[in-house]
Amino acid sequence: AQTVTQSQPEMSVQEAETVTLSCTYDTSENNYYLFWYKQPPSRQMILVIRQEAYKQQNATENRFSVNFQKAAKSFSLKISDSQLGDTAMYFCAFMSGETSGSRLTFGEGTQLTVNP
Amino acid sequence: GAGVSQSPRYKVAKRGQDVALRCDPISGHVSLFWYQQALGQGPEFLTYFQNEAQLDKSGLPSDRFFAERPEGSVSTLKIQRTQQEDSAVYLCASSSSTRIVRDTQYFGPGTRLTVL
Repeated sequence: AQTVTQSQPEMSVQEAETVTLSCTYDTSENNYYLFWYKQPPSRQMILVIRQEAYKQQNATENRFSVNFQKAAKSFSLKISDSQLGDTAMYFCAFMSGETSGSRLTFGEGTQLTVNP
Repeated sequence: GAGVSQSPRYKVAKRGQDVALRCDPISGHVSLFWYQQALGQGPEFLTYFQNEAQLDKSGLPSDRFFAERPEGSVSTLKIQRTQQEDSAVYLCASSSSTRIVRDTQYFGPGTRLTVL
């Protein structure tokens, strides 16, 4: 079974600065997908960024980028120019590309606070 | 059309009561997922539908939990004889994923269930 680990329960950053959230995972598969989701206090889970394991290039989405290290099974999220609206719980998630289902396996989450 | 919707947003039940939680997926999405999110934790998979077929129910915690999607669109998660440990946020997600194609899951706002 796959596992996802987020070792930082809480992080804080000053507005306009850069912060990196860590995520590691464990799998024996070669074909899979990784995601970062954001969950504000309203609890709507919002997709931040997606990475396909077969792609060597790291995904970017405006101020959000990932550092995907397949051999190390690491998938960190970098948020540049942090904004107050980035304050939320961030979840790293794994999706198999090989088993018949496409469920997500989530980490424990990192609570990010952006301070003015 | 609009995103995934869930109702009710909040539900308070007395221990032993039955509850029904509804999910309206994004129009045209064939896959539908239910997750349970305990306070301060990441979501955990409950069950998965492709169209009207329930392909995976391995995450349902007990036989008191039942889900259906009879016409391949709206889904209902039913919990019989609720217990205090059932208190959680129940998230629904939908995607275009099939057995072959893995697409992003889009989440609803969740239903917060409190069992007294």
